[in-house]
Amino acid sequence: GAVVSQHPSWVICKSGTSVKIECRSLDFQATTMFWYRQFPKQSLMLMATSNEGSKATYEQGVEKDKFLINHASLTLSTLTVTSAHPEDSSFYICSARPSTGGAYNEQFFGPGTRLTVL
Amino acid sequence: QKEVEQDPGPLSVPEGAIVSLNCTYSNSAFQYFMWYRQYSRKGPELLMYTYSSGNKEDGRFTAQVDKSSKYISLFIRDSQPSDSATYLCAMSGYPGGGNKLTFGTGTQLKVEL
Repeated sequence: GAVVSQHPSWVICKSGTSVKIECRSLDFQATTMFWYRQFPKQSLMLMATSNEGSKATYEQGVEKDKFLINHASLTLSTLTVTSAHPEDSSFYICSARPSTGGAYNEQFFGPGTRLTVL
Repeated sequence: QKEVEQDPGPLSVPEGAIVSLNCTYSNSAFQYFMWYRQYSRKGPELLMYTYSSGNKEDGRFTAQVDKSSKYISLFIRDSQPSDSATYLCAMSGYPGGGNKLTFGTGTQLKVEL
């Protein structure tokens, strides 16, 4: 149980294009999902907290107009990187917190999406 | 100063060794402490979850939290090559922090045959 999927797992795009990444909780409902990015040999940095049916909360320094987050259902959140540039190349990981049950603050992570912008 | 400090390694040990991984933190308000294992190009997997100070054991893994020293540890007994991964500590629960996790940089562990 508690499986989170991400799609795509790997994407290459041209500079200036937009890329959408999906995060799905497969066997549980998640009112809250989180989006992280991770650079090589570095830790996960929280980008934003996504709440179903409401606007995402972005961390300081994260451009909300560049990283659009939509959490339209209890099992799906999407991150769209708009007008991507090479510096946006990174490993993007989502996590989901079960709406019911589980330990406080427990999050289940997806397998990540590797984005390469040429 | 980072909120959570973790030696990035790499740490290389022979199979069967006891591994000790550690993190220190500066925010005394953290209440929940977690250890995640992350294989290369994969998402983190929760290994241990501890609330406040004390020890917790699960199979070959033992987590220790010393809030007075702001220091947490993960011990792996009888280490196996399959334990080779990056181990991330994470913390949360400070007032106003909601569900946010603050991660260490991760320690890369290699268990050799």
